[in-house]
Amino acid sequence: GQQVMQIPQYQHVQEGEDFTTYCNSSTTLSNIQWYKQRPGGHPVFLIQLVKSGEVKKQKRLTFQFGEAKKNSSLHITATQTTDVGTYFCAGPQGAQKLVFGQGTRLTINP
Amino acid sequence: NAGVTQTPKFRVLKTGQSMTLLCAQDMNHEYMYWYRQDPGMGLRLIHYSVGEGTTAKGEVPDGYNVSRLKKQNFLLGLESAAPSQTSVYFCASSRQRPNTGELFFGEGSRLTVL
Repeated sequence: GQQVMQIPQYQHVQEGEDFTTYCNSSTTLSNIQWYKQRPGGHPVFLIQLVKSGEVKKQKRLTFQFGEAKKNSSLHITATQTTDVGTYFCAGPQGAQKLVFGQGTRLTINP
Repeated sequence: NAGVTQTPKFRVLKTGQSMTLLCAQDMNHEYMYWYRQDPGMGLRLIHYSVGEGTTAKGEVPDGYNVSRLKKQNFLLGLESAAPSQTSVYFCASSRQRPNTGELFFGEGSRLTVL
């Protein structure tokens, strides 16, 4: 079945540094979603990308969907302590299921 | 609106005991899901439902049963708990099919099986 692989598994940065997490699918995706989970919390939806090559920004967060719709990335510019958490990408498997990547856990040294 | 509510939030079981996790959503969503989260494994789908009275298996269904008797509720049952079922369980719901719409998650239920 479809797999969604996410790297790196962990990333530790100094506050103010940039951060990027990558997501790769074994199959072409109709769309990709990104979620953030704060420590001890639950996943919260960030964004959905649908179009090939799509780029969307949310303040310091930039999301990209690859031209082949098999990969995606999330880039955070100038990290802040509020960015701490685990970031997940997720892709649909068929019409009824969403498959999640393993997540990238971001920690920040203030 | 409460959104998605899970009960209980914490539970400790002994091997072989049974229990039920309850998920309730007040958003009139058709789709509901149960995921488990383990370190380094991300979120893995256990079972899901596409509407009242329907259930289907996800990636890791063994050892679990589910029921969706009412649209707003999705129950996850463990008939005979095993230590391998120690995990954090998240319920989620969505208004649209997941290939078009976002999932709303509950706060999670932490289960420990001794």
